[in-house]
Amino acid sequence: DQQVKQNSPSLSVQEGRISILNCDYTNSMFDYFLWYKKYPAEGPTFLISISSIKDKNEDGRFTVFLNKSAKHLSLHIVPSQPGDSAVYFCAVYNQGGKLIFGQGTELSVKP
Amino acid sequence: DTAVSQTPKYLVTQMGNDKSIKCEQNLGHDTMYWYKQDSKKFLKIMFSYNNKELIINETVPNRFSPKSPDKAHLNLHINSLELGDSAVYFCASSQAGVAGVLYNEQFFGPGTRLTVL
Repeated sequence: DQQVKQNSPSLSVQEGRISILNCDYTNSMFDYFLWYKKYPAEGPTFLISISSIKDKNEDGRFTVFLNKSAKHLSLHIVPSQPGDSAVYFCAVYNQGGKLIFGQGTELSVKP
Repeated sequence: DTAVSQTPKYLVTQMGNDKSIKCEQNLGHDTMYWYKQDSKKFLKIMFSYNNKELIINETVPNRFSPKSPDKAHLNLHINSLELGDSAVYFCASSQAGVAGVLYNEQFFGPGTRLTVL
């Protein structure tokens, strides 16, 4: 019973283009969402977050969009760079304070 | 270097053995966690400690016992290792939010790859 789903296991994008990573969640009570980036043999690294009182948060090349009615969030990376190639995890805090992760999307940015 | 560190990075052992993984953070955080990443790459919370007290304890076999000697350390001891325990284990830390609400980003260690033969 997955409460957080990333339906695309992989995504390939050309350098300089936009990368869009998607995430769906099941519980409308979730109110804090995060994206993490993970390189092989390393731990996940926090990238950007958004609370449910906002619908957009931007940090440099990274923007997270939240659509509460659709229970959907997305991460946009513009422009994409080869160094962005990694696995991206969507995560949400539930009411019990637990961080629940999606299964990840592997992004490959081709030069 | 301010970070979350774990030792060892790799651990290969036989079924039935007992092993420990150590975690330390020098970020001054008061909350620490253990996660397991299984073969399907799902990251799942196992335990969480706030100021040395257990606050999250998922449905984990009691062969797994976390120990927090102080708020900068959270070790994981595993008894009678089984094949299914093979996974990557991540330690993390964060600063608790207001009234204990854990709405802050968590900082992860590099992981310990445990292989049980």
